[in-house]
Amino acid sequence: EVQLVESGGGLVKPGGSLRLSCAASGFTFSSYSMNWVRQAPGKGLEWVSSISSSSSYIYYADSVKGRFTISRDNAKNSLYLQMNSLRAEDTAVYYCARDIVEPTALFDYWGQGTLVTVSS
Amino acid sequence: EIVMTQSPATLSVSPGERATLSCRASQSVSSNLAWYQQKPGQAPRLLIYGASTRATGIPARFSGSGSGTEFTLTISSLQSEDFAVYYCQQYNNWPPPTFGGGTKVEIK
Repeated sequence: EVQLVESGGGLVKPGGSLRLSCAASGFTFSSYSMNWVRQAPGKGLEWVSSISSSSSYIYYADSVKGRFTISRDNAKNSLYLQMNSLRAEDTAVYYCARDIVEPTALFDYWGQGTLVTVSS
Repeated sequence: EIVMTQSPATLSVSPGERATLSCRASQSVSSNLAWYQQKPGQAPRLLIYGASTRATGIPARFSGSGSGTEFTLTISSLQSEDFAVYYCQQYNNWPPPTFGGGTKVEIK
């Protein structure tokens, strides 16, 4: 069974940093592109970042470019999102999501999400 | 960036009735269009991809159609577990892949 479990969310002050993790199991993690998608409270879905299976390509939404860094460790079956210079508008539930096949930006499995709150 | 527009924002339907949800793209996305279902407090679930292909385990009452810029998700006979928010998403031109604003299907 495919499982994606996010962690690392919490309350952080504006300008602060946070590192999210996503632990994957039930599939060959190193064969799939992975993504972060976020959802502000009561709002819709917003794609944040994608990373290919071998980390050879990485993409970011304009809203996070230069502040967020996606990475992965295939040996640990883990995906990460380093978030710096956080703003109030980054407040959201952050989901990790798997590409159905590389590279498509079509998300077939999602984690349950981790809440990031940016507030003073 | 391709803008996805969903209508209506809210759809009130009685159990057993048909629901028809619309999604429009600001430019052609070919058939690279997906639909997701999200229930309160849960992650989105992939329902349809390639505009009309049901994902694994999705009941046959869910069907998708369309290509280019106009797409439709139809739920043929609404069950209690189908009341949720539905999002369309294009993955034809990315980054960024973009989502519509969602349609909430509520009990009439």
